[in-house]
Amino acid sequence: ETGVTQSPTHLIKTRGQQVTLRCSSQSGHNTVSWYQQALGQGPQFIFQYYREEENGRGNFPPRFSGLQFPNYSSELNVNALELDDSALYLCASSLAGGPSYNEQFFGPGTRLTVL
Amino acid sequence: GIQVEQSPPDLILQEGANSTLRCNFSDSVNNLQWFHQNPWGQLINLFYIPSGTKQNGRLSATTVATERYSLLYISSSQTTDSGVYFCRRTTDSWGKLQFGAGTQVVVTP
Repeated sequence: ETGVTQSPTHLIKTRGQQVTLRCSSQSGHNTVSWYQQALGQGPQFIFQYYREEENGRGNFPPRFSGLQFPNYSSELNVNALELDDSALYLCASSLAGGPSYNEQFFGPGTRLTVL
Repeated sequence: GIQVEQSPPDLILQEGANSTLRCNFSDSVNNLQWFHQNPWGQLINLFYIPSGTKQNGRLSATTVATERYSLLYISSSQTTDSGVYFCRRTTDSWGKLQFGAGTQVVVTP
């Protein structure tokens, strides 16, 4: 069984640039969620994808967008990067959809630094 | 307001000690998970526990959904237990997922 993987591990960008982060879900999982974790804080829910559609979103602006592919892998795109976007971005996969969510399994994260 | 509250925020333990971490939530919960985040940022599943009690080795957890809290017990703590412990819940039908702010645990030899 393959666990959740994320790429890249680290990334440095400058303010105003755009970034794409990638996540491969655990085999057999159909739901992917993305979180942002600033230093010293708990992860904040960005959005969730189920069967290639966004089905839940936290308090993040539209410049945070995502995709899920037929193989259930996912991308997080952030446009017009701001300094406050510097954080650890975590991807989690699970096997569920709709109101009941099963266990989530997390990838190792991508550490984004915006200069 | 705060909807998932963890206590204490920080905990220093001597190796071998026992401890209890608490997670309070302001309304109903569909499911609840406990995680341990290691120093490299990896979130490791400890328990998926919407209700009842589970045990895994030196760790156990109890969720009392009707009273809106969950407890994580660490017994005979070891230095490898150091890190941040998070609880995370889901609530409404769109599954808005909320983490607490975490409990930073340091276990000293």
